[in-house]
Amino acid sequence: EAQVTQNPRYLITVTGKKLTVTCSQNMNHEYMSWYRQDPGLGLRQIYYSMNVEVTDKGDVPEGYKVSRKEKRNFPLILESPSPNQTSLYFCASHQNSDTQYFGPGTRLTVL
Amino acid sequence: DAKTTQPNSMESNEEEPVHLPCNHSTISGTDYIHWYRQLPSQGPEYVIHGLTSNVNNRMASLAIAEDRKSSTLILHRATLRDAAVYYCILKAWGGATNKLIFGTGTLLAVQP
Repeated sequence: EAQVTQNPRYLITVTGKKLTVTCSQNMNHEYMSWYRQDPGLGLRQIYYSMNVEVTDKGDVPEGYKVSRKEKRNFPLILESPSPNQTSLYFCASHQNSDTQYFGPGTRLTVL
Repeated sequence: DAKTTQPNSMESNEEEPVHLPCNHSTISGTDYIHWYRQLPSQGPEYVIHGLTSNVNNRMASLAIAEDRKSSTLILHRATLRDAAVYYCILKAWGGATNKLIFGTGTLLAVQP
């Protein structure tokens, strides 16, 4: 079954404690993205990747890092999380401009 | 990317057709009209997309106005499982980021 998986699904952490949210897709897609969803602001792109070792900033990249060492994985790294990064995070992948496949989401709370 | 306007919410009865409108008066010639939906506690899910002609798939139909300044997503027989937020998104073909710009969408409630 074609899918995008994210882990963990829920995470509560404290300010400054480094964390990684993993994302994996099994469709051999070249493109992957991270979005965050906040009430009243919709989904906003954080980072995207066009292929292995090719990444670039989206609209709200501050405070985040990504890496793309393998085609299937695109982890999101928060080196020093802050409360304003409390949000719902979605990973997405796609091969062309038609259909993007989204993961189930990771709800992050930073205290 | 051009902006879209959708009603904040709509209601439907189960097994009746639902027409979800979207206005996009500033659409450009290269913009495709995409629809995604987000079920409660899930990630967005692709529904349908089109450029100029009406489109049908197993989930829905997309009716595009002749001037392309508006479109309508049609769910032929709403089920309780169709209760979700529906997003109408304009996106040019290709582009480095391929990002989707989500607005606030239409919250569809389906009554049994």
